Amino acid sequence: AQSVTQLDSQVPVFEEAPVELRCNYSSSVSVYLFWYVQYPNQGLQLLLKYLSGSTLVKGINGFEAEFNKSQTSFHLRKPSVHISDTAEYFCAVSDSPGTGRRALTFGSGTRLQVQP
Amino acid sequence: GAVVSQHPSWVICKSGTSVKIECRSLDFQATTMFWYRQFPKQSLMLMATSNEGSKATYEQGVEKDKFLINHASLTLSTLTVTSAHPEDSSFYICSAAGTSGRALGTGELFFGEGSRLTVL
Repeated sequence: AQSVTQLDSQVPVFEEAPVELRCNYSSSVSVYLFWYVQYPNQGLQLLLKYLSGSTLVKGINGFEAEFNKSQTSFHLRKPSVHISDTAEYFCAVSDSPGTGRRALTFGSGTRLQVQP
Repeated sequence: GAVVSQHPSWVICKSGTSVKIECRSLDFQATTMFWYRQFPKQSLMLMATSNEGSKATYEQGVEKDKFLINHASLTLSTLTVTSAHPEDSSFYICSAAGTSGRALGTGELFFGEGSRLTVL
């Protein structure tokens, strides 16, 4: 069984400040990790994913995340946030990277609130 | 990226009626689609896995007779909420993994825009 923990339900931050959204996972098998962003009343958009290779993954909109196997973490970072980054962010895990047979397990989400 | 479309994006219905939500993969084929439910300010909870040409697999606690899923083609899955009640009001989101074209092997699930159901 897999699980994802997002410890911070809300993260307030000022515009142009750096931000880190934390994600920890547990799994008994190899994992594949994802970060999604959800704007109000919309579906999910993929920010980035880790399937294999380099542990530092760069995504869209200036976001990046680092896979740390020893700490079972996949924290999301951005060096300078904008008002438009205000949204809900979900970390997700899968034990199947590309077959499409397995659903994702989502964390509880972190609300990023960027203030001017 | 690949596109998944849901319709309707929002629907209001009376208690006791049935509502159908469609999920379409627009530029790729998807043998498997997933239906999620999201309550306000909460995460997505998997309801069921929809497989083309076979019965859906429901997660524990999800009533299969309440939430009917039909995956009749490689690009369409439907979720029907039967005899809807106010407690069924929620945001329903579908997702699909590409099994053809440019979506193949990306390891990514593509999500629809979601459908907000309000039962009065």
